[in-house]
Amino acid sequence: NAGVTQTPKFQVLKTGQSRTLQCAQDMNHEYMSWYRQDPGMGLRLIHYSVGAGITDQGEVPNGYNVSRSTTEDFPLRLLSAAPSQTSVYFCASRRPTSGVSTGELFFGEGSRLTVL
Amino acid sequence: AQKVTQAQTEISVVEKEDVTLDCVYETRDTTYYLFWYKQPPSGELVFLIRRNSFDEQNEISGRYSWNFQKSTSSFNFTITASQVVDSAVYFCALSRPQTGANNLFFGTGTRLTVIP
Repeated sequence: NAGVTQTPKFQVLKTGQSRTLQCAQDMNHEYMSWYRQDPGMGLRLIHYSVGAGITDQGEVPNGYNVSRSTTEDFPLRLLSAAPSQTSVYFCASRRPTSGVSTGELFFGEGSRLTVL
Repeated sequence: AQKVTQAQTEISVVEKEDVTLDCVYETRDTTYYLFWYKQPPSGELVFLIRRNSFDEQNEISGRYSWNFQKSTSSFNFTITASQVVDSAVYFCALSRPQTGANNLFFGTGTRLTVIP
């Protein structure tokens, strides 16, 4: 049982380059999300999805695109990388919710991105 | 708007001391969930506890205990007889009720160092 798998684990980009961070889960979770973690700022929500074909913006969506064509995959695309996007990115998934009932998030191991 | 405040940026204790990590939250919702996550030096995020807003009972799990007080909007975490393996960054998080999503919003984290 792999859980949430993120690739790559490390990536260095030059300003202006594009890149897709991959996220896959094998738990049949409908909800998936992307967070970024920066020193002193905790984890901030970038985008999320409540099911295949449905995505929405979180707190800090600018500069990122997502799509959800399957339940398993939720890639995060950086269209034109900027130094401000240097961060550690975490993908997470969760079982379906019932009303406001919310279970815990299952996180991937993170992708450390550096933009020069 | 949801907000989670972890005022303690860094804490250092000597092994076997007790330590309490503070978490104060703001929300206008009547139903919500609170979480604690641990991030050890290896970087992964480990779920510790979930508590819903209607359950103010304190919880104990081994050396860990949690004190939830709605009157002060606090959800504090105590480690008894701390060990070196407890050294990590600890995040408190609050859910935002939203159909199908119930996104989590995280505090900025408290870095705990346990000195042998």
